[in-house]
Amino acid sequence: DTAVSQTPKYLVTQMGNDKSIKCEQNLGHDTMYWYKQDSKKFLKIMFSYNNKELIINETVPNRFSPKSPDKAHLNLHINSLELGDSAVYFCASSFQGNEQFFGPGTRLTVL
Amino acid sequence: AQSVTQLGSHVSVSEGALVLLRCNYSSSVPPYLFWYVQYPNQGLQLLLKYTTGATLVKGINGFEAEFKKSETSFHLTKPSAHMSDAAEYFCAVSDMSGNQFYFGTGTSLTVIP
Repeated sequence: DTAVSQTPKYLVTQMGNDKSIKCEQNLGHDTMYWYKQDSKKFLKIMFSYNNKELIINETVPNRFSPKSPDKAHLNLHINSLELGDSAVYFCASSFQGNEQFFGPGTRLTVL
Repeated sequence: AQSVTQLGSHVSVSEGALVLLRCNYSSSVPPYLFWYVQYPNQGLQLLLKYTTGATLVKGINGFEAEFKKSETSFHLTKPSAHMSDAAEYFCAVSDMSGNQFYFGTGTSLTVIP
């Protein structure tokens, strides 16, 4: 059983398009996160949701928007994609400050 | 405020040699500390964590780390490197609420045959 799943695994798209990445966790965790990992492997936290409330919102462009329909899902919507958005995006979840469990990642390539 | 510093973005060791990956943190409250490993083209996997109790923590794959409050360190070690240990390693710190979770910049471990 997959603990944290993301779809799609690969996403190739043109500049200017709008795309979404889905994330689901079946661990009963109360907090979910989105990270961006660049080509140098640096992990940047983008958003986190705790009980459907946004509690961390780093300085990411407002073209990125998280949407959480329920505690088990945190989707990432990206509008007007740019070349610099190309990266691997990871979803993660945790419970009350304990370790985060990561999804397998979504490799986004913007052409 | 919390932060994590990993000294050495690249570390190379010979197969069978000691692995030492350094991590220092700053935290205004007692932290939770973690080490994660990322194999090529995969997500991050927890190696070990420290929350409370014994300061020497053992993890998977023969790794261990020691929490030293006086040095604000949480260095990762393994007595004998294996080729399969080649990966990216991340140190992380969080407060007890989970509202603040910070990763270091990562250390790429290369194991030389």
